[in-house]
Amino acid sequence: QKEVEQDPGPLSVPEGAIVSLNCTYSNSAFQYFMWYRQYSRKGPELLMYTYSSGNKEDGRFTAQVDKSSKYISLFIRDSQPSDSATYLCAMSADYGQNFVFGPGTRLSVLP
Amino acid sequence: EAGVTQSPTHLIKTRGQQATLRCSPISGHTSVYWYQQALGLGLQFLLWYDEGEERNRGNFPPRFSGRQFPNYSSELNVNALELEDSALYLCASRSRDEQFFGPGTRLTVL
Repeated sequence: QKEVEQDPGPLSVPEGAIVSLNCTYSNSAFQYFMWYRQYSRKGPELLMYTYSSGNKEDGRFTAQVDKSSKYISLFIRDSQPSDSATYLCAMSADYGQNFVFGPGTRLSVLP
Repeated sequence: EAGVTQSPTHLIKTRGQQATLRCSPISGHTSVYWYQQALGLGLQFLLWYDEGEERNRGNFPPRFSGRQFPNYSSELNVNALELEDSALYLCASRSRDEQFFGPGTRLTVL
């Protein structure tokens, strides 16, 4: 079993749809959780960062962490064609220690 | 505030050669991470430098090495290049618990 698993996609949705992206993990020590967006041939860009369990909202983006289920989600409301990218989840157990990334989900938002 | 910068943008080498990739972190960041992202694969952790010291390395052979300079910039060296080393190499610097990535160096090994 991989340490972090993520739906590979690709995922295609119409503009304006609500998108749900998910990751599961096996290491119960993870407590720092991040979502990155990566456009083609570019470096990842940090979207959301959460510590421990709970929800965090930033504009159209909401990140959820359920440590009891070892499951994190990123919701995108009112999706736009500019949201078309690969979304990577990442997590870390210790301050400054290894960040483990999921393989990414490719999202296409169709106009 | 300038972001993480990497050079060169693209690098083409032949099998057996050596490649040197460079990274400048965000001002004030002392930690630098290197990742390999091969086509269709996720980010694979390569190396972590902090305060000039190598703190951790991923599951890569010793021909992947690097260093961090007193100004916290970093260099990744890949010796005896193999075809499967072709990938996007990403550098990230860290502030508290967050990493910020550079645009990457695309290495092509022919």
